[in-house]
Amino acid sequence: QVQLQESGPGLVKPSQTLSLTCTVSGGSIRSGGYFWNWLRQRPGQGLEYIGYIYYTGSTYYSPSLRSLVTISVDTSKNQFSLRLNSVTAADTAVYYCARGGESHRLSWYYFDFWGPGALVTVTS
Amino acid sequence: QSVLTQPPSVSAAPGQKVTISCSGSSSNIGSNFLSWYQQLPGTAPKLLIYETNKRPSGIPDRFSASKSGTSATLGITGLQTGDEADYYCGTWDSSLSAVVFGGGTKLTVL
Repeated sequence: QVQLQESGPGLVKPSQTLSLTCTVSGGSIRSGGYFWNWLRQRPGQGLEYIGYIYYTGSTYYSPSLRSLVTISVDTSKNQFSLRLNSVTAADTAVYYCARGGESHRLSWYYFDFWGPGALVTVTS
Repeated sequence: QSVLTQPPSVSAAPGQKVTISCSGSSSNIGSNFLSWYQQLPGTAPKLLIYETNKRPSGIPDRFSASKSGTSATLGITGLQTGDEADYYCGTWDSSLSAVVFGGGTKLTVL
């Protein structure tokens, strides 16, 4: 059973960079076959997709966040990370990492294993 | 404003059936696969349906889904109090080149 766990600071100041790491267990990012994703959920709101990374380092970012987001992978640690630049209060959210569907399938955009989520609050 | 439209809330009695709709357009639901998620209070979303109508291992057959044109429906039969949750639909939007979700539907089991 694949398990994911987010970690990182729970408080970030406005204009600074939000950084989170997702540690994967029960499965190897390096083995390929799946996209590894970040999503977020603002308080009381719905789900918002941020982007994914493949074990090769190939990435996709949501157009709405593309200029601010970087997702990276460390296969030696079985981790992938999110960096969101120039945050504002609107970036306050629970951030989830999740495994996507099989990468060779056109239907890859579903998420079958999720971390419990990490609340990040942007405040001065 | 979400790209996919869901009713804010639905309700039904225990043991009954409920349906949750998800409406979109030809660039998303009309041409791509759909997924559905259940989010219990204070927890991460859980995949209920993928590739429009397939259930992952461990999801009971009380949950089913279908699609017609630019709309999709999640059905839940034999409602239980434990089914009280928010439900989200999601898909790919070919025009936006983005993963999109509905705004979520809160299910109340009366």
